[in-house]
Amino acid sequence: AQTVTQSQPEMSVQEAETVTLSCTYDTSESDYYLFWYKQPPSRQMILVIRQEAYKQQNATENRFSVNFQKAAKSFSLKISDSQLGDAAMYFCAYRRLIQGAQKLVFGQGTRLTINP
Amino acid sequence: SAVISQKPSRDICQRGTSLTIQCQVDSQVTMMFWYRQQPGQSLTLIATANQGSEATYESGFVIDKFPISRPNLTFSTLTVSNMSPEDSSIYLCSVGQGAFTDTQYFGPGTRLTVL
Repeated sequence: AQTVTQSQPEMSVQEAETVTLSCTYDTSESDYYLFWYKQPPSRQMILVIRQEAYKQQNATENRFSVNFQKAAKSFSLKISDSQLGDAAMYFCAYRRLIQGAQKLVFGQGTRLTINP
Repeated sequence: SAVISQKPSRDICQRGTSLTIQCQVDSQVTMMFWYRQQPGQSLTLIATANQGSEATYESGFVIDKFPISRPNLTFSTLTVSNMSPEDSSIYLCSVGQGAFTDTQYFGPGTRLTVL
C-alpha cells in the first residue's frame, strides 16, 4: 500500500520569505499523481499544485513550485514571497494512475505559520 | 472546477442519534467521494459514492455505520448512524470528473460534534 510522510508537523516563515515543505512517499508503481492541498482555518481543502509522475518538469503555479525527485520519492513544495494568507495546514497527497483508482492517500500535514 | 456545497456546515448531536450530510455539485460529475478528518488528523477516505449502485467502502468503514446515497450525478448524502463521541470529525465530500480524473476538488466540509 502507498504511504505518504510529511516529517515537519509545523513550519514558520517570515512574510515575504521563502519556505519549503517536505513530503516523501512510498510506492512500487511508476506512474501516479502527486498533489499539495492547503487547508486554512475555514477547513476548505484547496488544491495548490499537482504533478504527474511521468513528467520530468517540475510543476509551478505562481508563487508555488515543487521539487519532484522521482528516484528519491520526494515531492517538496516551495512557497516564494510568503504572504499572510498562506498560513494553513498543507497536505501532500498521492493518487494512483489507474482508471477507477481515485483514492487519495494523504500525509499527516504541516502547519505553516507566517510571521509578519 | 465544480462548485461544491455541503449541508449542514456544522452540527452538534447527541450520542445514539444519526445525522445526514448532503453534498451538492453545480455540474454533473463522474465520481463523488466522502472523507473523514478526525481532530488534528489527516483525511481518510470513507467510501466512493457510485451513481445507481452501492457505494464502495474502504477498509474499516461499513455501510451500516455510514450509509451513502447517490441518486444522480450532482448529489450525494452520507449518514453517520448511531453516533458516539468518536465520530466527532470533519466530513468532506470531493468530486472528480472523467474516467481518468486526476484531480479531486473538495466541498467546504461539515464539522460534527457528538456529545
